[in-house]
Amino acid sequence: DAGVIQSPRHEVTEMGQEVTLRCKPISGHDYLFWYRQTMMRGLELLIYFNNNVPIDDSGMPEDRFSAKMPNASFSTLKIQPSEPRDSAVYFCASSRPRDSPYEQYFGPGTRLTVT
Amino acid sequence: KNQVEQSPQSLIILEGKNCTLQCNYTVSPFSNLRWYKQDTGRGPVSLTIMTFSENTKSNGRYTATLDADTKQSSLHITASQLSDSASYICVVSPRAGKSTFGDGTTLTVKP
Repeated sequence: DAGVIQSPRHEVTEMGQEVTLRCKPISGHDYLFWYRQTMMRGLELLIYFNNNVPIDDSGMPEDRFSAKMPNASFSTLKIQPSEPRDSAVYFCASSRPRDSPYEQYFGPGTRLTVT
Repeated sequence: KNQVEQSPQSLIILEGKNCTLQCNYTVSPFSNLRWYKQDTGRGPVSLTIMTFSENTKSNGRYTATLDADTKQSSLHITASQLSDSASYICVVSPRAGKSTFGDGTTLTVKP
């Protein structure tokens, strides 16, 4: 398996623009997680899905952030409108607890810069 | 409030030497503790996962220990290599609710 795939790897955008980050989880995994990592706050869980259904979105910073998982092989994290403080690395991770309890597999991340 | 504190914040060692990283937590009730290695520019990769009943887990030259009574964990790296240079993150999960991430220890291995 190719692992968790994220695109784009780098995104530079201007304040106020819409940004969409994409994730393809490992085939067969039924949990998907979105994280944000900054120097100031470290790794933070934004939202996670189980079987394509959002379970906990309490980590989403504000209404400008939204996430969807239309099917088992694709998820998006959208920021609209973007702000400079959204600059961070965004990671997607997936897991299959019945095979490997507590194990999560992370993608390479998307480095977002908002100017 | 659930907290995870890692020490030291950064560490420099010579290739071939051993080192130990610390993780203290207040997460309760405890479910599991995970150590991740994160290379620069990459996503975290799982090294070890320990539940309440486990007090040691090895993965090659990496050995993690857990003392659930004192709420402390350590990650010991044996015979360090240049490729061990990375950030090491401790993550502690309760039985219900969200995991708490440590800020990480940045390890630099010099030749």
